[in-house]
Amino acid sequence: QKEVEQDPGPLSVPEGAIVSLNCTYSNSAFQYFMWYRQYSRKGPELLMYTYSSGNKEDGRFTAQVDKSSKYISLFIRDSQPSDSATYLCAINQGAQKLVFGQGTRLTINP
Amino acid sequence: DTGVSQDPRHKITKRGQNVTFRCDPISEHNRLYWYRQTLGQGPEFLTYFQNEAQLEKSRLLSDRFSAERPKGSFSTLEIQRTEQGDSAMYLCASSGDHHTGSNQPQHFGDGTRLSIL
Repeated sequence: QKEVEQDPGPLSVPEGAIVSLNCTYSNSAFQYFMWYRQYSRKGPELLMYTYSSGNKEDGRFTAQVDKSSKYISLFIRDSQPSDSATYLCAINQGAQKLVFGQGTRLTINP
Repeated sequence: DTGVSQDPRHKITKRGQNVTFRCDPISEHNRLYWYRQTLGQGPEFLTYFQNEAQLEKSRLLSDRFSAERPKGSFSTLEIQRTEQGDSAMYLCASSGDHHTGSNQPQHFGDGTRLSIL
């Protein structure tokens, strides 16, 4: 079993839709939770970073962490074609290596 | 504000050759990480440095791989006697001061894409 599981998709939604992306993890020692966006042939770009259960909002993006269920989510409101990318969840125990999910490939159709 | 810089962006080489990649982290960051990413997968950890000290190496880092960060600034990753399976994107990331014990997020470069013929 992988430490971090993420549905690879692909996921295709119309412009303006709310997108929900999810990951589960197995190690309860994980403390820090991140979402990265990766465009084709580019490196991962940090979108959201949180270390506690609950919600964190930044513009159209909301990250949600449920430590009791070992479940994290990223919501994108009012999705735009420019949001089309691969979204990676990443988790670590603090100041150490990141453990990534497989990535979900998202397409927003105009 | 310059980000993490990696060079070259793309390297094509024949099987059996040696290759070296360079990473320049964000200037004030003392931690530097190397990851490898294959098509359709998330990045996998290879190794990391705090200043010039290499603190952890993944079992993915066979003896053909070596990484250095001689002055605690830029880092190099060398692969000797390349094999077909080494074809991947090699990503470098850096993060800020960990002296307080707090975690700092990692910021990535755009990677070096290695193609083995």
